[in-house]
Amino acid sequence: KQEVTQIPAALSVPEGENLVLNCSFTDSAIYNLQWFRQDPGKGLTSLLLIQSSQREQTSGRLNASLDKSSGRSTLYIAASQPGDSATYLCAVRLRGFKTIFGAGTRLFVKA
Amino acid sequence: AAGVIQSPRHLIKEKRETATLKCYPIPRHDTVYWYQQGPGQDPQFLISFYEKMQSDKGSIPDRFSAQQFSDYHSELNMSSLELGDSALYFCASSLGSGVTTDTQYFGPGTRLTVL
Repeated sequence: KQEVTQIPAALSVPEGENLVLNCSFTDSAIYNLQWFRQDPGKGLTSLLLIQSSQREQTSGRLNASLDKSSGRSTLYIAASQPGDSATYLCAVRLRGFKTIFGAGTRLFVKA
Repeated sequence: AAGVIQSPRHLIKEKRETATLKCYPIPRHDTVYWYQQGPGQDPQFLISFYEKMQSDKGSIPDRFSAQQFSDYHSELNMSSLELGDSALYFCASSLGSGVTTDTQYFGPGTRLTVL
């Protein structure tokens, strides 16, 4: 059974810091991995999707990497800003369409 | 750009009542996913549809059913509601054809409260 774990559960950093969020999964047989951000009580916003055959994806200040063999993905956020404060979720799509989420990392960026 | 539309946004029901949640995917998207997110929890996959056929199933109670219609919109029907069904229900859509490139785009969610 696929399990997705995110570390740390919560993170507080001063504005301007570079930071790394971690996601690990137990079964390497995935179709893709997607990173989302969620603001309190709101929907999920897609940040990056990494195909199973890819190693990384970049969008602006965000960079996501994927190491399928070790069951790990990282989301790197450069020059963090208070507006980055949110919960960041990683999700792995299995064979078929089932998608398993991690519990998320709650990020707080202090001005 | 058009996004995923969910209706209603908020719904209050009594125990043992029935609820219907609707989802309108992004135009041209042929795949719909349903998720349930309880307070302080991560989204739990319920069910998905690809080209109007059920494509995968997760932890969806037998009291719930769903379908995707010819115009690709989807409805989640929930019967014999229980207090524990109170949650945010998200719909997501993607352009899915079995390839690995399909990004899931989420709707704003329907907040269901069962009293």
